[in-house]
Amino acid sequence: GENVEQHPSTLSVQEGDSAVIKCTYSDSASNYFPWYKQELGKRPQLIIDIRSNVGEKKDQRIAVTLNKTAKHFSLHITETQPEDSAVYFCAASNPYFRGSTLGRLYFGRGTQLTVWP
Amino acid sequence: DTEVTQTPKHLVMGMTNKKSLKCEQHMGHRAMYWYKQKAKKPPELMFVYSYEKLSINESVPSRFSPECPNSSLLNLHLHALQPEDSALYLCASRQGGNQPQHFGDGTRLSIL
Repeated sequence: GENVEQHPSTLSVQEGDSAVIKCTYSDSASNYFPWYKQELGKRPQLIIDIRSNVGEKKDQRIAVTLNKTAKHFSLHITETQPEDSAVYFCAASNPYFRGSTLGRLYFGRGTQLTVWP
Repeated sequence: DTEVTQTPKHLVMGMTNKKSLKCEQHMGHRAMYWYKQKAKKPPELMFVYSYEKLSINESVPSRFSPECPNSSLLNLHLHALQPEDSALYLCASRQGGNQPQHFGDGTRLSIL
């Protein structure tokens, strides 16, 4: 099955600096890569996603890059703010899982991002 | 706003109790999921329903029993739970394999 590795497990940055979180995946059939932000006591919230036919996607201060050959994808947050502090999870989706075309997500272990004012 | 609605938000139960968690989505999604999440860990997949049929059971103990009454509703029946079952239980739904998966706010479950 799919294996998603995420690094670093913790990341501390000063407000205004950039933050980068990296993930690797093992299954070349995976074709959808979402990123979730989870604040303490709240649900995981989708912040950006990318499909395998695209190399980069940007949404304001957040961007995701995908390298299919190397099987890795990264989250980039620029001009970080204290409200960006949360746990971030990457995930990979294999559309075909045990005969189902609806697939499942495989999550990385998460990165605790702390942005200091 | 959450497009996936879960009730109750909090639940405290004894090890001999029977309770149910409920999840509802009105986005017409064809897949619905139950996850268990411990603090600062990733969501752990429990069950997947595809087109109202159970398609994946990730070796979950029988004290957890899922049910999908229709395409919008998902229940998780709980019986004889253990203290280690205390966690945040998340419901999610998605339309297809490369589509966004949306989570509900979860039910925080505590087993006494």
